[in-house]
Amino acid sequence: EIVMTQSPLFLPVTPGEPASISCRSNQSLQHDIGYDYLDWFLQKPGQSPQLLIFLGSNRASGVPDRFSGSGSGTDFTLKISRVEAEDVGIYYCMQGLQPPFTFGPGTKVDIK
Amino acid sequence: QVQLVQSGAEVKKPGASVKISCKTSGDIFTKNYVYWVRQAPGQGPEWLAIIDPLDVVSNVAQNFQGRLTVSRDTSTSTLFLELRGLRPHDTAVYYCARGYCSRESCYKFDQWGQGTLITVS
Repeated sequence: EIVMTQSPLFLPVTPGEPASISCRSNQSLQHDIGYDYLDWFLQKPGQSPQLLIFLGSNRASGVPDRFSGSGSGTDFTLKISRVEAEDVGIYYCMQGLQPPFTFGPGTKVDIK
Repeated sequence: QVQLVQSGAEVKKPGASVKISCKTSGDIFTKNYVYWVRQAPGQGPEWLAIIDPLDVVSNVAQNFQGRLTVSRDTSTSTLFLELRGLRPHDTAVYYCARGYCSRESCYKFDQWGQGTLITVS
């Protein structure tokens, strides 16, 4: 089983400021065709998770361009260029390279 | 618009079984993989199973093998998750979500059901 870790686990943010979350896996998430099977989700209170980024760096449809994903192999980063109040919630990374698909522990983002 | 609609909340006794439905649009049913995830109160998501659009291959997390079954009903474009031998720690919100897969690797789970709360008590 691939183990996912995230840091920080809690991230107080100031609206208008940038924010960054790190996600690491204990083995490479790169498929043999060159894609990294790493997705990012945001879960707002009482809601289903919503996809932000897939395959490491591809923004999902409808996701604001202030969100970006980068990294490859075992190290990945989600960046928010300018945080807005609606961005609060818990952010999860998830590896889809091989079952069982596993999630990171989550990073709770809240307004300072 | 919402394309995965799940069945309603249920309360079950320990030892009982539960069968959760996830009604999809025709396109999702015939073209997409659907995976099941659960989330216990205050916890992160936990992947349970995935089923392919042709109902040829399904994959169940090892911790649930023998206790969990995923299935499909073509006539209603509905997917099902059945969990047997329920225990209090199975209390969670169960979600279905559609995604894309290349062999055993999957990504882009971009449409989710609203979740089904199963309480075991």
